[in-house]
Amino acid sequence: GAGVSQSPSNKVTEKGKDVELRCDPISGHTALYWYRQSLGQGLEFLIYFQGNSAPDKSGLPSDRFSAERTGGSVSTLTIQRTQQEDSAVYLCASSTGTTSYEQYFGPGTRLTVT
Amino acid sequence: AQSVSQHNHHVILSEAASLELGCNYSYGGTVNLFWYVQYPGQHLQLLLKYFSGDPLVKGIKGFEAEFIKSKFSFNLRKPSVQWSDTAEYFCAVISYSGGGADGLTFGKGTHLIIQP
Repeated sequence: GAGVSQSPSNKVTEKGKDVELRCDPISGHTALYWYRQSLGQGLEFLIYFQGNSAPDKSGLPSDRFSAERTGGSVSTLTIQRTQQEDSAVYLCASSTGTTSYEQYFGPGTRLTVT
Repeated sequence: AQSVSQHNHHVILSEAASLELGCNYSYGGTVNLFWYVQYPGQHLQLLLKYFSGDPLVKGIKGFEAEFIKSKFSFNLRKPSVQWSDTAEYFCAVISYSGGGADGLTFGKGTHLIIQP
């Protein structure tokens, strides 16, 4: 079956603009995660959705970051008023949400803020 | 907060050499441990995982890892590396809070280069 898909694969935006990144998890996976991969910080956990429960936002770096998940499937990560330090690869992962908690990663969206 | 330490940031080996990449974590409660690999231009893939039971776990492509609880370690090994093992390797841990599993905490990664 299809894996986790993300769009766009690359995004270049000007500082101060808003961006939306999309993640389509593996069909049937109830848990969805967003991570950020950057040279300075490595891989950082951002936010986690489990089914229709309220998300765990503990990893979001600032209030400019938000995420939603519609219908327990597709998720959108929104970054408002982008800054240069937001430049990174944003990774999405999904899992069955059961005791295995094995996460399957998408190819990522490379965000460049100029 | 938990943390994961990977001892080596860059490792260069010749083909057929043996490999051991160190990983230590800080969390003292129930953890599940993972090694992920990122080949050049590709996305993160799971190499192996430990949840419970036999502390020596085997993964894909001949990799194995040993969970030593007393040392908070989960080192990755391969007896004979190949040029195709050139990649970035990440150790990760997931902990369990009252509401279930949290996001993965990753180490900084080890960039492995295998010379032919």
